[in-house]
Parts: sequence; structure tokens; C-alpha cells
Amino acid sequence: EAQVTQNPRYLITVTGKKLTVTCSQNMNHEYMSWYRQDPGLGLRQIYYSMNVEVTDKGDVPEGYKVSRKEKRNFPLILESPSPNQTSLYFCASSLSKGRLYNSPLHFGNGTRLTVT
Amino acid sequence: AQSVTQLGSHVSVSEGALVLLRCNYSSSVPPYLFWYVQYPNQGLQLLLKYTSAATLVKGINGFEAEFKKSETSFHLTKPSAHMSDAAEYFCAVGKGGATNKLIFGTGTLLAVQP
Repeated sequence: EAQVTQNPRYLITVTGKKLTVTCSQNMNHEYMSWYRQDPGLGLRQIYYSMNVEVTDKGDVPEGYKVSRKEKRNFPLILESPSPNQTSLYFCASSLSKGRLYNSPLHFGNGTRLTVT
Repeated sequence: AQSVTQLGSHVSVSEGALVLLRCNYSSSVPPYLFWYVQYPNQGLQLLLKYTSAATLVKGINGFEAEFKKSETSFHLTKPSAHMSDAAEYFCAVGKGGATNKLIFGTGTLLAVQP
């Protein structure tokens, strides 16, 4: 089954403790992206990757890191989490490198992160 | 800069009634517009997309949306609501033609009353 898999689904951590949220897709998609969803703000892009070893900042990259060493994986790293990073995070992927309208975004089921 | 505005964070309809979810966009270039649906505890799923081929776009689950340039709108409609339509709906605009960023609206939570 074609899917985007995120782990974990739920995560509670404390301020400053490094964490990684994994994202993997099995559709051989070139493009991958991370979003955070907050009430009243919709989804905002954190980082995206056009291909292996190619990443770029989205609208809200501060406090986050990503890497793309393999095509299928795109982990989101919080080196020193803070309470304002408490949010619902989504990983998404698509086939097209350049034209989103030709290839829809496929979303994972989300990771709900709480930082205390 | 491109943006979308969804009017009404919560909409409630009766089962069998018309569903109308409003979305207005702002774009300095011809926009690519999308509607996504999010069911509880799930990721977003594409309902439909506008890419300039036709102004009336049909999507999955009986939904459709009409692109109206004069009104800068892309409202989502369904003639008859079903209980299974209860979800959160997001309008989004593609940022330019060559970038890969979707700019999402703040979402509209649709409740369907029996």
C-alpha cells in the first residue's frame, strides 16, 4: 500500500531533550516536506526537500533541522525542543519535483508533539 | 504574495442539506488552488484541484468547487451532506508555478447534524 509513515504518533518530552520524528514514504517520491498544524493557523511549512541531499527552508524553520540522505526518508530533528514547538506535525511527499499541481501531496497521519 | 482566506472556522449543516465552504484567494499570478480534507486522527487528503483547465472542478465524494476569478473565490460545495462528510477542510494555493509550497488556509470544521 502506498503510504507516508510517521513515527511516533504521539510524543511527550521535556524542554531541551533532542528528538527525531521519522518520516518514510514507499512511493519513490522525489519531493518531501514537513508541516506543523496549529489551531487557527492552518498548516505551515517547516522544511522541504526536492531530492536526496537537497533541502530548503519553509515558512517556519527556526528550531528545526532535517536531512535527506535517502530518497524514502526525511526525518525532522528538534535539537533543543521548546514548549512553543508543541504542535501536530505532518510529513508529506509527492512525485513531482517542480509542479505540485501535477502530483498531489500525500500526507502521513501526523505526530502530536507535546513539549513541557 | 499569495494567500487564502477561509470564512467560517466552524460550519454546521443538517444531513441532506447543501454544504458550502468558502475560500477566497489572493495571488499576483494565475493561481493553482486545492481543497484538502482531514478526517479525525488522519493526515490531509486531496479533494480536488484547480489548474486552469476548467473553472468547475469535480472532486471525490461528490464535492465540487468553482473558480471565479472576478470574485477571487474557490468555494467548495456538495449538494447533499452526509454524516461521513464531518471533517476539517482546508483550502490551499500553490505558491507560484515552479515552487513546491502550498499555502494553507486556517481550515473549516464541518459538522453534520442528523
